[in-house]
Amino acid sequence: DGGITQSPKYLFRKEGQNVTLSCEQNLNHDAMYWYRQDPGQGLRLIYYSQIVNDFQKGDIAEGYSVSREKKESFPLTVTSAQKNPTAFYLCASSFQGGRQPQHFGDGTRLSIL
Amino acid sequence: KQEVTQIPAALSVPEGENLVLNCSFTDSAIYNLQWFRQDPGKGLTSLLLIQSSQREQTSGRLNASLDKSSGRSTLYIAASQPGDSATYLCAVMERETNAGKSTFGDGTTLTVKP
Repeated sequence: DGGITQSPKYLFRKEGQNVTLSCEQNLNHDAMYWYRQDPGQGLRLIYYSQIVNDFQKGDIAEGYSVSREKKESFPLTVTSAQKNPTAFYLCASSFQGGRQPQHFGDGTRLSIL
Repeated sequence: KQEVTQIPAALSVPEGENLVLNCSFTDSAIYNLQWFRQDPGKGLTSLLLIQSSQREQTSGRLNASLDKSSGRSTLYIAASQPGDSATYLCAVMERETNAGKSTFGDGTTLTVKP
């Protein structure tokens, strides 16, 4: 079945540590997105990528980094510079142009040890 | 900067009731609007996508309308069921080349009581 796989489901970060969240899709989508969701709030865009080897900052990119070396994969690294990383992270993908719905993974919950 | 507001933040209704969820946005120059459902601890599931040229979309007991000029969309749920209990989010996509960036509302948490 086609879909988006995020791993791990739960992740714990120590102070000063970088952690990487995985996002893989087999929907043949061009565009991929990373969102952050805090309790009781909507989603805020961290980074997005329209094609391989290209990505742009969203509204809250500080303290995060991404890469897009393959069409299927869009990993997100939460760096030690992100001082408040505890949140629910959601990856999404879609065909370019916005005429088709965005599809989401089941998320990764990141907490601080 | 686009802002999306959803009212009410929470709603509790008895089973069988028809209900309306509201979404408003500040910049009417949108490309499309999408309604999502989110169950606790899960990702988002797309319910309906309305292009800027459309007025409404229907899927089963769900009907979403779009009024760009007034910056509003509504999601109508007919004959609500306990299984409809979830958080419903709307998202507007900007018309910026093919960027496809979306701005989300904070959601309406719906509880349908048996």
